[in-house]
Amino acid sequence: ETGVTQTPRHLVMGMTNKKSLKCEQHLGHNAMYWYKQSAKKPLELMFVYNFKEQTENNSVPSRFSPECPNSSLLNLHLHALQPEDSALYLCASSQEESSGANVLTFGAGSRLTVL
Amino acid sequence: GQNIDQPTEMTATEGAIVQINCTYQTSGFNGLFWYQQHAGEAPTFLSYNVLDGLEEKGRFSSFLSRSKGYSYLLLKELQMKDSASYLCAVMDSNYQLIWGAGTKLIIKP
Repeated sequence: ETGVTQTPRHLVMGMTNKKSLKCEQHLGHNAMYWYKQSAKKPLELMFVYNFKEQTENNSVPSRFSPECPNSSLLNLHLHALQPEDSALYLCASSQEESSGANVLTFGAGSRLTVL
Repeated sequence: GQNIDQPTEMTATEGAIVQINCTYQTSGFNGLFWYQQHAGEAPTFLSYNVLDGLEEKGRFSSFLSRSKGYSYLLLKELQMKDSASYLCAVMDSNYQLIWGAGTKLIIKP
């Protein structure tokens, strides 16, 4: 496996379900991210982890719960979601540099539909 | 507030040249990125500009004017595979990435 792998690629769930999105990066990067991508809207940063520690939570509702078991894995646990949470969820990783040239490598995304 | 503007959609002809503009208003500036995203796929990095001027990479070039808060991505000798969304993002003074909504580029034969 190379790059950033996300599973599942597609997920349909009811509002009472509990599910998880998984992300693994094989690049040795020190930072991992969850983004939400909705049609015709800018990417929304949800969470940032640096060396396994959460460094950012952009006022994300508690029905989204991240988990970082190690520096290569980042999960997103989903519970009691709303239909407006339907979107493409992108995971990304990067090697954070003080120079600012922080290039993100993205996974192909998990398309989530909440019924 | 912080804002990135880029056209929602553009159409161009195979073999031609297209310029995708991006204007920004951010709290500080630490570089501007362009990413390409094919439908159903991951965004992939195209370019990074932190100084004014033109950066060329094969058929793709990216230009930056910090004084005008303006960048463009220039695609030459367009191919059908260039049909994709192009995302502009600026890193602000806190090293946070501010994203535009993306420009969907449609290439016609």
